[in-house]
Amino acid sequence: DVKVTQSSRYLVKRTGEKVFLECVQDMDHENMFWYRQDPGLGLRLIYFSYDVKMKEKGDIPEGYSVSREKKERFSLILESASTNQTSMYLCASTSPYEQYFGPGTRLTVT
Amino acid sequence: SQKIEQNSEALNIQEGKTATLTCNYTNYSPAYLQWYRQDPGRGPVFLLLIRENEKEKRKERLKVTFDTTLKQSLFHITASQPADSATYLCALAPRAGNNRKLIWGLGTSLAVNP
Repeated sequence: DVKVTQSSRYLVKRTGEKVFLECVQDMDHENMFWYRQDPGLGLRLIYFSYDVKMKEKGDIPEGYSVSREKKERFSLILESASTNQTSMYLCASTSPYEQYFGPGTRLTVT
Repeated sequence: SQKIEQNSEALNIQEGKTATLTCNYTNYSPAYLQWYRQDPGRGPVFLLLIRENEKEKRKERLKVTFDTTLKQSLFHITASQPADSATYLCALAPRAGNNRKLIWGLGTSLAVNP
């Protein structure tokens, strides 16, 4: 079974902090994605990566950056957390079409 | 504008009945369409994929249809059970561009009552 893990289920950070969200997949998938999900707005793509060190902006990349140094790991970085980044963050990898999601990280920025 | 729409109202049905969920899209030429299930506080789980040249796909009690003329996909759960209660998302992969990037609907909440 494909397994996608995320570093934390719940996270509380203060405004202005730098936040790292880690995602690891164990199936050698090339494509990995970071989404955020908010009520009424659905899943919105922040960034995706189609290979190591390769990345592409999604629909809402502002305030975020990503890093993919190894194929299995895709990190999302909030450079300076703000309250409007309070959300559920979901990581996914593809095989090659269906997306496998991690359990999500519920981030609260106070 | 391009968009993908699902029933915004929750669907309540009686156990044993067939649930039918709708996904409509405009201004896309899809390569394929997928359906996912999402439970509260969890990530979506892939259920079925149907390609543009396929009319119907089945998996156990699940059936998906795809009508590219009507620009619509229907998702059916037959002999529904309370355990089927969840939010169901449809996601479309446009033929143009990087079709790994999916366009997501907002989901329809299904409640199956015992």
